[in-house]
Amino acid sequence: AQKVTQAQTEISVVEKEDVTLDCVYETRDTTYYLFWYKQPPSGELVFLIRRNSFDEQNEISGRYSWNFQKSTSSFNFTITASQVVDSAVYFCALSEWRESEHDRNQGGSEKLVFGKGTKLTVNP
Amino acid sequence: DTEVTQTPKHLVMGMTNKKSLKCEQHMGHRAMYWYKQKAKKPPELMFVYSYEKLSINESVPSRFSPECPNSSLLNLHLHALQPEDSALYLCASSQSGYRGGLLTGGELFFGEGSRLTVL
Repeated sequence: AQKVTQAQTEISVVEKEDVTLDCVYETRDTTYYLFWYKQPPSGELVFLIRRNSFDEQNEISGRYSWNFQKSTSSFNFTITASQVVDSAVYFCALSEWRESEHDRNQGGSEKLVFGKGTKLTVNP
Repeated sequence: DTEVTQTPKHLVMGMTNKKSLKCEQHMGHRAMYWYKQKAKKPPELMFVYSYEKLSINESVPSRFSPECPNSSLLNLHLHALQPEDSALYLCASSQSGYRGGLLTGGELFFGEGSRLTVL
């Protein structure tokens, strides 16, 4: 079964510090996708990044960067020079293909398996 | 602004009430989802609709009844709920996967959620 582990429950940093959020996953699939989502106090889950299992290139987007290492089944997320607005819960997720339970002719759907989340607090 | 709109944002209901949560998207996505999220927990999948047909039901109690009237709308009908059903209900949409198991890895776009309190 698919599993995503975010070992850090809560992290607290001071503004301008760099912070890394860890994510370790388990899957038997050879093709899969990994995601990071941000959930601010307002509740909406905001998509940050998607990475497929064949693309191990690290990615940088502004102050955000992601390190995908298939050898260690990890997909870590680093925020450089953190800001108060970065305070949120961050979820790592893994996609899982599920055949339709109700109509075999329908194909299927993708399901996201979420980690438990890491609550990041950036203090001024 | 989110492209997935959920109404109402807040709902308080008694255990004998019947109410509905609504979700709408205009991104042309053919997969729509209901997730339930309890405080300090990750979202848990409830239902998936793919091309307006129910694709996945994660053993959700029958007091929750989903409906997909068309490709842009997704409803969740609520009846005889229990206080433990109080949670944030999130709707999401994505590009649907294709038959044969081709994983498209389409990201889910989430609404802001409907916060439900059952008294």
